[in-house]
Amino acid sequence: GAGVSQSPRYKVAKRGQDVALRCDPISGHVSLFWYQQALGQGPEFLTYFQNEAQLDKSGLPSDRFFAERPEGSVSTLKIQRTQQEDSAVYLCASSLRLSNEQFFGPGTRLTVL
Amino acid sequence: SQQGEEDPQALSIQEGENATMNCSYKTSINNLQWYRQNSGRGLVHLILIRSNEREKHSGRLRVTLDTSKKSSSLLITASRAADTASYFCATASNTGFQKLVFGTGTRLLVSP
Repeated sequence: GAGVSQSPRYKVAKRGQDVALRCDPISGHVSLFWYQQALGQGPEFLTYFQNEAQLDKSGLPSDRFFAERPEGSVSTLKIQRTQQEDSAVYLCASSLRLSNEQFFGPGTRLTVL
Repeated sequence: SQQGEEDPQALSIQEGENATMNCSYKTSINNLQWYRQNSGRGLVHLILIRSNEREKHSGRLRVTLDTSKKSSSLLITASRAADTASYFCATASNTGFQKLVFGTGTRLLVSP
């Protein structure tokens, strides 16, 4: 595709529900990142994949957050038992291996009621 | 947590004027990048400057980097209403992968 795509663009969940957010990176991009952006703040790193390997998950806020990229392409960020503090925009980015420029998707705005 | 601060938090100017935004960071870096974010949209990469570079230009954009002061500035010349957006600096460390650590952002408003 032309760029990074994310779905859904908007998600409203009731507290306690599980959600799954999808990221389709640019074809051929080896590196994939997830970031969380709270309202009025800059994005904060959650986790990083190189192909299918999750090399860093130090930014995941709790064990309710889980990310996977089983075939080294599409990635899913799953949040279990959502809480109100999980409300944020979740951004996905991809980059070519050894390239420093990251290409961001439009994000998924998650609202937990 | 955020890497550092951006200054000012908000900037309002008229079309044709120049806009300068500053970014300070805390740790050693491999490179520093500037991104633009329009309301409700994803981030768009503007420019990357490496730690061994001091200045870089791209169109109406000029970026400087002072690693001794751990600071960078973004200058947008001859601003346009379409430049209205939030601007973020982001740093990449010297570790093996390019996790970006973002600043708090500057909200720029350019009035016609």
